[in-house]
Formats: sequence, structure tokens, C-alpha cells
Amino acid sequence: DGGITQSPKYLFRKEGQNVTLSCEQNLNHDAMYWYRQDPGQGLRLIYYSQIVNDFQKGDIAEGYSVSREKKESFPLTVTSAQKNPTAFYLCASMDGTKGSNQPQHFGDGTRLSIL
Amino acid sequence: AQSVSQHNHHVILSEAASLELGCNYSYGGTVNLFWYVQYPGQHLQLLLKYFSGDPLVKGIKGFEAEFIKSKFSFNLRKPSVQWSDTAEYFCAVNVVAAGNKLTFGGGTRVLVKP
Repeated sequence: DGGITQSPKYLFRKEGQNVTLSCEQNLNHDAMYWYRQDPGQGLRLIYYSQIVNDFQKGDIAEGYSVSREKKESFPLTVTSAQKNPTAFYLCASMDGTKGSNQPQHFGDGTRLSIL
Repeated sequence: AQSVSQHNHHVILSEAASLELGCNYSYGGTVNLFWYVQYPGQHLQLLLKYFSGDPLVKGIKGFEAEFIKSKFSFNLRKPSVQWSDTAEYFCAVNVVAAGNKLTFGGGTRVLVKP
């Protein structure tokens, strides 16, 4: 089955530590996205990538970094500069070649907590 | 920057009641509009979308939404809910001129009592 795989499902970070969240898709989608979900705030866009080797900051990129070296992979690093990293992180992809009215497909998410 | 507002954070209703969730957005140009649903323990999935044509769109599981351009609204409705409709619902807007990005509302948690 085609889909988006996020790992791990749960992740714990120590103060001052960088952690990387994995997102892999086998849908052959060009566009990939990272969101942060906090209660009552919906989903906020962290970073997105429309094509391999290119990515743009979203609304809340500070304290995060990404790479897009392969079409199917879009890892997110939560750096020590992110002062409030505890949240639920969602990865999504979209077939952007068919226009912006296409739906995004979401993974199951990673819940990050601070020790 | 565009914004999306969902008026109710929590809704509690009984089975067979009618449901309407409000969604308003702030951008005046061409938009694509979406409703997503997140059932407990599951990933977000698309309920329905509007991008052109008939402003009344029908989605899965008996949901529908009406795009009213003059009111910048895209309200979600279901005439008769079931216990299985318990979920969190998100409205999202794509501003066509801004490319393939979505702006989400804050979500509405719906609890349907059996």
C-alpha cells in the first residue's frame, strides 16, 4: 500500500539535544510538508519542499531544520534552539504536479516530549 | 498572511442530531478549501474539498460543505450524526497564488454521545 511512514511514533528529547524525525513516502509525490499540531491551534506549517534539493520555511521554522536529498524522504530535525518542542509532528505529501487543489496525505505522526 | 478561523473548539451532541461546523478565512483571492478529519488514533484524512463549480460539495460519510464567497466561509454540515463521527475536524485553505501550501484552522473536537 502506498502511504507515508513517520518514525518513531514516540520520541523523548533531553534538554540541549537535537533529534531527527523521519518521514518517508512511496506515493511518488513531489511536495512534502512538516506540521506541528498543538491543542487548540490546529496544524502549523514548519517547512515544506516542492521538489528534491529545495525547501522553504513555513510559518514556524525557527528551531527546526530539514533536508530533501531524496524524493521519498523529508527528515525534520528539532534543534536545541527550539524552546518549546513538545508537540505532535505530522508529515504530509501531495502530488503538486496536478495543481494546488490536490489533497495532502498525512502520516500517523510523531509525538515528541522533553525529558 | 491568510488566516482560518473555526468558531467552535468543542461540540457535544447526541446521535441523530444535526452538525454544523463553521469555518471562515481571511484571504480575498482565489482559494481551494478543504475539510479534514482526524478520528481517534488515526491519521488526518480528507473529508471533502472545493476548488471550483458548485459551491455545495459532498464528501465522504454523509458530510457536505457550502462555500459562500461573499462571507469567506466554508461551513461543514451533516444532517444526522453517528457515534462514529466523534473526531477532530479541521478546515484548511490553500491560497492559489501562494502555491501548494495549506493554512489550517484551530480544529473542532466533536463528541457524539450514543
